Amino acid sequence: DAGVIQSPRHEVTEMGQEVTLRCKPISGHDYLFWYRQTMMRGLELLIYFNNNVPIDDSGMPEDRFSAKMPNASFSTLKIQPSEPRDSAVYFCASSDPGQGNTEAFFGQGTRLTVV
Amino acid sequence: AQSVSQHNHHVILSEAASLELGCNYSYGGTVNLFWYVQYPGQHLQLLLKYFSGDPLVKGIKGFEAEFIKSKFSFNLRKPSVQWSDTAEYFCALYLNRDDKIIFGKGTRLHILP
Repeated sequence: DAGVIQSPRHEVTEMGQEVTLRCKPISGHDYLFWYRQTMMRGLELLIYFNNNVPIDDSGMPEDRFSAKMPNASFSTLKIQPSEPRDSAVYFCASSDPGQGNTEAFFGQGTRLTVV
Repeated sequence: AQSVSQHNHHVILSEAASLELGCNYSYGGTVNLFWYVQYPGQHLQLLLKYFSGDPLVKGIKGFEAEFIKSKFSFNLRKPSVQWSDTAEYFCALYLNRDDKIIFGKGTRLHILP
């Protein structure tokens, strides 16, 4: 398996623009997580899905953030409108705890810069 | 509330020095603990994990960690560090009631050649 795949790797956008981050989890993994990494806050869990259904979105910072998982192999994290304070590295991860593998496997991340 | 605490935010060592990074957790459920490593510019990779059994866990690249239940700790150790160990290290806890993983804030390790 190619692992968790995220796109784009880097995104630079202007304040106020819509940003969409994409993730393809490892095939067969039924959990998908979106994390945000910043110097100040470390690694924060934003939202996670089980079998495409959002389970907990309490980590989503504001209504400007939304996430979807239309099928088992694809998820998006959208920020609309974007602000400079959203600049961070966004990681997607997946896991398959039902098989006893509770660890999360991470994608390469998307480095977002909002100017 | 469940949490993971890493005591050191930034550690600087010389090559061949011994390493111990502290991690404490707070959780009332079944404990699955992890250490992840993030090399500069890269994604997080699993270093080692503890599920049950032997509390001393050995991972890749000579790292090990010891689960001490009475202290709610899972410290990471390496007897002799190398320059290539320069990275950020994250302790993480799997919450079995929610099937999610939470992370400590990370420790940046800088090894001087």
